[in-house]
Amino acid sequence: NAGVTQTPKFRVLKTGQSMTLLCAQDMNHEYMYWYRQDPGMGLRLIHYSVGEGTTAKGEVPDGYNVSRLKKQNFLLGLESAAPSQTSVYFCASRPQGISVETQYFGPGTRLLVL
Amino acid sequence: GENVEQHPSTLSVQEGDSAVIKCTYSDSASNYFPWYKQELGKRPQLIIDIRSNVGEKKDQRIAVTLNKTAKHFSLHITETQPEDSAVYFCAASIPGNQFYFGTGTSLTVIP
Repeated sequence: NAGVTQTPKFRVLKTGQSMTLLCAQDMNHEYMYWYRQDPGMGLRLIHYSVGEGTTAKGEVPDGYNVSRLKKQNFLLGLESAAPSQTSVYFCASRPQGISVETQYFGPGTRLLVL
Repeated sequence: GENVEQHPSTLSVQEGDSAVIKCTYSDSASNYFPWYKQELGKRPQLIIDIRSNVGEKKDQRIAVTLNKTAKHFSLHITETQPEDSAVYFCAASIPGNQFYFGTGTSLTVIP
C-alpha cells in the first residue's frame, strides 16, 4: 500500500515547454486534488475531482489542465509553462463518506520554470 | 467561498513552553477542521482534527479547540520539543469536497 505517489519528484522546464505531473493513489479514494504551495501563501487548490471522469476548477486554475480517466490517477498538465508556475505541487486524495474525512498528501513535485 | 486566516505566521518558543496557533473561518457551513504539520521538504501530515459538533479534542501534547459562534479554532501544543519545529497549517472544509487552508505558521522550538 503505497498511499499517494507523485511523478516526477523534480523537474526543470524552459518557458513555453509542456509537461504532465502524475498523481496515483491505491486507496480507492473518490476525491483527488492538486495544490500548489508557494512561500507565505499556504496551499492553493488548482483543480480537483470528485470521481473518475470528473474535474472541477479550484482557486488558481489558469494555465493548468487536468484529467481523471482512471479512478486511481489524476494528471496535471502545463501546456505552456511560465516562470510564475515555479512551485511545489502536491496531490492529495480522500475517501467519500457521509462525514468529511481528511486528505492524504503525496510527497510533492518541485517544478522550476526558467 | 470560505476564507481561512491563520496567525501568527511565525512563532518561536523555548523548549518546554506552550505554543498556540489560531485560525478563523468565514463560512458557518464549515464543519471539519484539520491541522497539518509539514516538516521541511516533506508533505503535510494530519496531526489532529475536530468536527463542528465537538468543542475540544486532545491527543497527548496536542489539543484543538473550536468556537463555532466566533468562527475560530486553535491548536495548542504543550511541553514543546525541538522536533515540534515545523510549519503548521489549519484548514476548514465545507460539505461538498473542498478544503480551504490557512497560510501556515512556522514554529521554531529553541532548545
